Amino acid sequence: AQSVSQHNHHVILSEAASLELGCNYSYGGTVNLFWYVQYPGQHLQLLLKYFSGDPLVKGIKGFEAEFIKSKFSFNLRKPSVQWSDTAEYFCAVNPSFDSSASKIIFGSGTRLSIRP
Amino acid sequence: ETGVTQSPTHLIKTRGQQVTLRCSSQSGHNTVSWYQQALGQGPQFIFQYYREEENGRGNFPPRFSGLQFPNYSSELNVNALELDDSALYLCASSSPGTGGYEQYFGPGTRLTVT
Repeated sequence: AQSVSQHNHHVILSEAASLELGCNYSYGGTVNLFWYVQYPGQHLQLLLKYFSGDPLVKGIKGFEAEFIKSKFSFNLRKPSVQWSDTAEYFCAVNPSFDSSASKIIFGSGTRLSIRP
Repeated sequence: ETGVTQSPTHLIKTRGQQVTLRCSSQSGHNTVSWYQQALGQGPQFIFQYYREEENGRGNFPPRFSGLQFPNYSSELNVNALELDDSALYLCASSSPGTGGYEQYFGPGTRLTVT
């Protein structure tokens, strides 16, 4: 079945540690890729997106993600996390070959907890 | 610029009842999508409306229906509520400039079915 997989359900890091959250998708066609973040008590916000071009994309708050087509992956990274990065992170895919709707398929999310 | 707003914030309904959730899209956005987010899960696509017409649907039964109005606001209607319908319902609007791919989410409506 077509899906988006986030293998880490809960990640706990200390401040200043480096972060990498994994995301794999199973769509074979052209896709648009996103990472969304949901801070405690807030709504989903777009962190970064990839439509085409440079596979290394930079987002807000120092986050970046790398699209590796051969691995069907779009991992999220940050060199040094802060306590304020505590949130739920969702990888999402828009299968752009499906022209009927610009629906977004979400992964199940990774909860990131940062120890001060 | 006003963001996406949703009402009500919370709602408690009984199994078998009907519910209507409302969404006002961000200024300038003509596409509205609805998602269901169960506890501990990622949002699941219900359907999308573009220019008042349904423009794609996820794997949800017909008792989930919607409307979009000329001002691009939208409603999600759920008939014959079931316990499994308890979830956070998210509305997202998008701009024609990005082909509808970049979506901006509202705070959601928390629906509890008892």
